[in-house]
Amino acid sequence: QLQLQESGPGLVKPSETLSLACSVSGGFISGDDYYWAWVRQPPGKGLEWIGSIYYTGSTYYTPSLKSRVTISMDTSKTQFSLKLSSVSAADRAVYYCARHRTEPVFEYWGQGTLVTVSS
Amino acid sequence: QSVLTQPPSVSAAPGQGVTISCSGSTSNIGTISVSWYQQLPGTAPKLLIFENNKRPSGIPDRFSGSKSGTSATLGITRLQTGDEADYYCGTWDTILSAHVFGTGTKVTVL
Repeated sequence: QLQLQESGPGLVKPSETLSLACSVSGGFISGDDYYWAWVRQPPGKGLEWIGSIYYTGSTYYTPSLKSRVTISMDTSKTQFSLKLSSVSAADRAVYYCARHRTEPVFEYWGQGTLVTVSS
Repeated sequence: QSVLTQPPSVSAAPGQGVTISCSGSTSNIGTISVSWYQQLPGTAPKLLIFENNKRPSGIPDRFSGSKSGTSATLGITRLQTGDEADYYCGTWDTILSAHVFGTGTKVTVL
């Protein structure tokens, strides 16, 4: 059974860069028609897709965050990462990593990690 | 602000059924298939329905999905207390070039 697990600091200072990693176990991160994604959810609010990466390194991001987001992959470590720069209080959210198909079907999700932005 | 609109909440007694609507446009639901996700309190979303009306293995047939035009609907029959959760629709928007999720609907079992 595929499992995803987020890791990284739970507290980031305003204007700094949020960095999270997602470790994948129970399956391959390379190959097949799957994408690896980050989705966030501010407390008490809805889901927001941040961006996705294919095993070839090809990425695509939501337009509203594109200028601040970088998603990368380390296939040797079966891990992919999120960097979100210049964070503010508005970026406080639970961040989920997930796997989706070419179609918009998010099949597997990590448990999520809460990131707070505060000095 | 999401491009997919859902009612904030629906409720019904145990054993009854509810439907949740997801309203979009020709650039998303009108063109692309819809998925539905269940988010129990304090947990990650879970895939319930994909490709408008298909259930992943392990999802009971009490959950069903349909799509017509630019709207989609999730149906839950024989409600159980364990169905109390937030439900989200999701698809791709061809104008935004982004995966989009609905505003979310809280299901309460009275």
